[in-house]
Amino acid sequence: GQNIDQPTEMTATEGAIVQINCTYQTSGFNGLFWYQQHAGEAPTFLSYNVLDGLEEKGRFSSFLSRSKGYSYLLLKELQMKDSASYLCAAMDSNYQLIWGAGTKLIIKP
Amino acid sequence: GAVVSQHPSWVICKSGTSVKIECRSLDFQATTMFWYRQFPKQSLMLMATSNEGSKATYEQGVEKDKFLINHASLTLSTLTVTSAHPEDSSFYICSAREGKEATETQYFGPGTRLLVL
Repeated sequence: GQNIDQPTEMTATEGAIVQINCTYQTSGFNGLFWYQQHAGEAPTFLSYNVLDGLEEKGRFSSFLSRSKGYSYLLLKELQMKDSASYLCAAMDSNYQLIWGAGTKLIIKP
Repeated sequence: GAVVSQHPSWVICKSGTSVKIECRSLDFQATTMFWYRQFPKQSLMLMATSNEGSKATYEQGVEKDKFLINHASLTLSTLTVTSAHPEDSSFYICSAREGKEATETQYFGPGTRLLVL
């Protein structure tokens, strides 16, 4: 079966760095997406990786290892507004997105 | 760019009534639109995929006669929940993709909270 695993909840301190991991098992692979979702709101796109390696976009970076079925989202210089759920989604061979349950990130002052 | 709107943002209705939710791409033409449902503290569940001018493709377990989807134009898709029941209460989110490439980013609307009494 197809599956996405990511931690349910993480806590970090304002100004620090946090890494949110995601492992996936899909039938084929056409890339991995990260979305941010604030409570009660719709998800917003953060990143898309289809090749191995690290992609940096401001304070946020996303890494992919296709051979390991693994990705992480790295958030630097954490701000209180980064408190949200972070959704990992892998696209399978049918171009269907398989969504993780999300990681709730709590930022403490 | 890439703004998707949904209307209404909140709806409360009586059991047995029908509710229509609109999803619009404001600054681009959406070749494909998606409808999701999200229960509290759970991930997104894809309900159906619709392409402009053709019938929607429903995911397994989603009743197409209960959740009617109409993608009448490249900027508008509607989801009608017919004969709504309390168990249909959920957060309904649409997303839209501009291009034909499946790997292109989906842009999400702000969601519609449905409460069926």
